[in-house]
Amino acid sequence: EPEVTQTPSHQVTQMGQEVILRCVPISNHLYFYWYRQILGQKVEFLVSFYNNEISEKSEIFDDQFSVERPDGSNFTLKIRSTKLEDSAMYFCASIPGTSPTDTQYFGPGTRLTVL
Amino acid sequence: AQSVTQPDIHITVSEGASLELRCNYSYGATPYLFWYVQSPGQGLQLLLKYFSGDTLVQGIKGFEAEFKRSQSSFNLRKPSVHWSDAAEYFCAVGPPGGYQKVTFGTGTKLQVIP
Repeated sequence: EPEVTQTPSHQVTQMGQEVILRCVPISNHLYFYWYRQILGQKVEFLVSFYNNEISEKSEIFDDQFSVERPDGSNFTLKIRSTKLEDSAMYFCASIPGTSPTDTQYFGPGTRLTVL
Repeated sequence: AQSVTQPDIHITVSEGASLELRCNYSYGATPYLFWYVQSPGQGLQLLLKYFSGDTLVQGIKGFEAEFKRSQSSFNLRKPSVHWSDAAEYFCAVGPPGGYQKVTFGTGTKLQVIP
């Protein structure tokens, strides 16, 4: 069965450094999402992406964050200057985009630790 | 603003017993409602969703949920719990249109005892 993949599974970085989290959505999917889950807290929507542009973003998704689909298969989340509070699990998801009732598929997540 | 309340932080049930996880939402119109499951160390998996139509929604793994507009609730049920159902369950609400700007609840951790 097709699946969403994410790399790396765990990223450790120093505060102030840039990180790029990578996701490979299911190949024929059109809508892509990033969520984060700070340890012990609820999952939070960050951003959705369609047709090579952001379609929705949350208040969390400030200028430090950006998303890109550089090559038609990868979907990346960049954090320009990481802060301690960016430490979290980051989940990528995708849907086919052909129907409002599409099922959403999640990747296994990347655990980001900012030191 | 939309919000979700899952009043039970932790629930323990015996294997084979029935299960109901509560979810109450706040949203100005008819929302899109979701239940997700997160197994330990795993990512999220969508169990089921409600967009419109029949208020009793069937999902994967034998789960179902019922949308009750009058009670602003979307409770998740399973008639007979299996040990593999032990996980954390998240209810979520979003505006019409799909998965955009979904707000998650704080989750209910399910423990299954033999």
